[in-house]
This record gives sequence, C-alpha cells and structure tokens, in this order.
Amino acid sequence: ETGVTQSPTHLIKTRGQQVTLRCSSQSGHNTVSWYQQALGQGPQFIFQYYREEENGRGNFPPRFSGLQFPNYSSELNVNALELDDSALYLCASSTEANNEQFFGPGTRLTVL
Amino acid sequence: GESVGLHLPTLSVQEGDNSIINCAYSNSASDYFIWYKQESGKGPQFIIDIRSNMDKRQGQRVTVLLNKTVKHLSLQIAATQPGDSAVYFCAENAGFGNEKLTFGTGTRLTIIP
Repeated sequence: ETGVTQSPTHLIKTRGQQVTLRCSSQSGHNTVSWYQQALGQGPQFIFQYYREEENGRGNFPPRFSGLQFPNYSSELNVNALELDDSALYLCASSTEANNEQFFGPGTRLTVL
Repeated sequence: GESVGLHLPTLSVQEGDNSIINCAYSNSASDYFIWYKQESGKGPQFIIDIRSNMDKRQGQRVTVLLNKTVKHLSLQIAATQPGDSAVYFCAENAGFGNEKLTFGTGTRLTIIP
C-alpha cells in the first residue's frame, strides 16, 4: 500500500452532472497529481497541485478543475459530465525532492 | 509531440523464465523514466526508475536499460513469478522537477505456471 487514499471507490453519474473526487496524499507529501485512465490505456496527466497552487496542466478542458488543501489533500471536480469522462481517476502524491509518484487505488467513474 | 509507446501489447512468459518489456519514447528532452506495474483494480505501482545520465539500473529481480541514442527503454524481470502478471507501463518526465508523467499504453504480461 502506498498510503494514498481516494474516495469514493466507484461512482455512477449521468451526462451533464458534476462530480467531486477526493484524494489524501501520503504523509509528508506536498504534491498531488491527477490522472485519467481510460479502459485499456495508460494514465493521462490532468494537472498537478503543489502547496495549494496548480503546477502544470495537461490537455484537459476547463470543466476539469481541482483544489489542494492546507493538509495537502486534494479534490478533482468535473462539471458537465460527458460519456467519454468514464474512466479510472488516479491521484498520485510526491514531494518536490523526489520525482517518484505514489498512486492511490483510483476512483472508477461511470457516466451514463 | 510527446509520446511514449510500447512495442508489444501482450507478452506471455513461462514461470521461472526471464521477461523483457520494451518501450520507445519520442521526447529527447525527457530526463527521467519510470516503470510501473498495474494489477487489476489497483493503481500503478512504482517498480524502478532511471535518469538520463545512466544507461542501466538494477533492483530486486528487475533491471531497466536506457538507450538514449535510439530512445528506447526496457524492463527485464528475472525468474518470473505468477505475481508478476500485470500490465506494465513505462513513463517519462520531461518537465522541471515533479511535473507530468507521460505514460505509454502498457504491456500485459502473463506468467504461465
């Protein structure tokens, strides 16, 4: 186990709805990265948060947004859900001193 | 653009044999490479990493080789065990410090008992 936790484990939403996914980073880690993993694909970088500020963003539209809290936990928010948003959403925590990213188990989002 | 690809989508290996998983990358600016193992229903698990100033790094039963000339990365797993069955991803980091990892599509390794 990496010490990175995510909630919920599974989630079912319908098109147009909004969703919030949560991630608690490993103790001592101040950086959280979010990835989207479609079935049969590798994870795709969404964005990263470092000390509560966005620190890099991948090729995702603005309806994907995030937050990082003072305790370094993080949220991923997705508005106006589309069918293609169905995927496993992974968060990974790390420190600025080490590139190694520790992944959580993911949240499986299904959009109907 | 950046891309990290794998030569083979599936690989079956007899238990006890060695396995080699290959990966090609296209961004010559990448300076950090990682291999991850992902079991069904779980997040990617770090296996081993290597920086661009090295060409080989060894861990427990695993070795990563980096050939910057041809932009090729490989993961060797020695004496494979049933627990090695998983999808293996290579990933690269071309950002400053701790920014995004670019993953390939993965290779499914199946260990035959």
